[in-house]
Amino acid sequence: DAGVIQSPRHEVTEMGQEVTLRCKPISGHNSLFWYRQTMMRGLELLIYFNNNVPIDDSGMPEDRFSAKMPNASFSTLKIQPSEPRDSAVYFCASSLVNRGQIFNTEAFFGQGTRLTVV
Amino acid sequence: QQPVQSPQAVILREGEDAVINCSSSKALYSVHWYRQKHGEAPVFLMILLKGGEQKGHEKISASFNEKKQQSSLYLTASQLSYSGTYFCGTEGSGTYKYIFGTGTRLKVLA
Repeated sequence: DAGVIQSPRHEVTEMGQEVTLRCKPISGHNSLFWYRQTMMRGLELLIYFNNNVPIDDSGMPEDRFSAKMPNASFSTLKIQPSEPRDSAVYFCASSLVNRGQIFNTEAFFGQGTRLTVV
Repeated sequence: QQPVQSPQAVILREGEDAVINCSSSKALYSVHWYRQKHGEAPVFLMILLKGGEQKGHEKISASFNEKKQQSSLYLTASQLSYSGTYFCGTEGSGTYKYIFGTGTRLKVLA
């Protein structure tokens, strides 16, 4: 199993540009999570999906952030327009959830995308 | 609202034990523990559920005191590979959802 795959691993972009981060979850998993990690704020849950449906996006910091999961094997996190304070490592994770208990199972993380907005 | 972990940092010699605590100001449904090595992704260690159920790895143990809204991670006979930053992830109700703790940096020396 290849695990959760994120791309790109590193992204440097200029302020104001659109950024799209991509995630391929583990095959067979039915839940997907997007996290952000910074020195100042630590690890934060941004949004999570169950069976491709967004369940809770209350962690998304601003309307500039959006996430989609068009099918069970692909998700994107988009920032438009990007700002320097969006610089962070963005992690995607997936898990296999039973009976809708989203946080009762192990989540497997991808290697992350390090985003730098200059 | 972020759960507070203690200690913030700890240095051990191989073979020594350590306890990492996670305290929340809100009622919790479950607590997860992760270890993250520098430049890598967090790795799941343990889930503790309300009611006492635990799911995790054999060599890691933890406790969850629902009344005190606290969890503790017990690392025994530490190995060099235990070095990293440990995070608790806490699930609550209502608007609380899921929040990570402040983190504990642990270093094991030979």
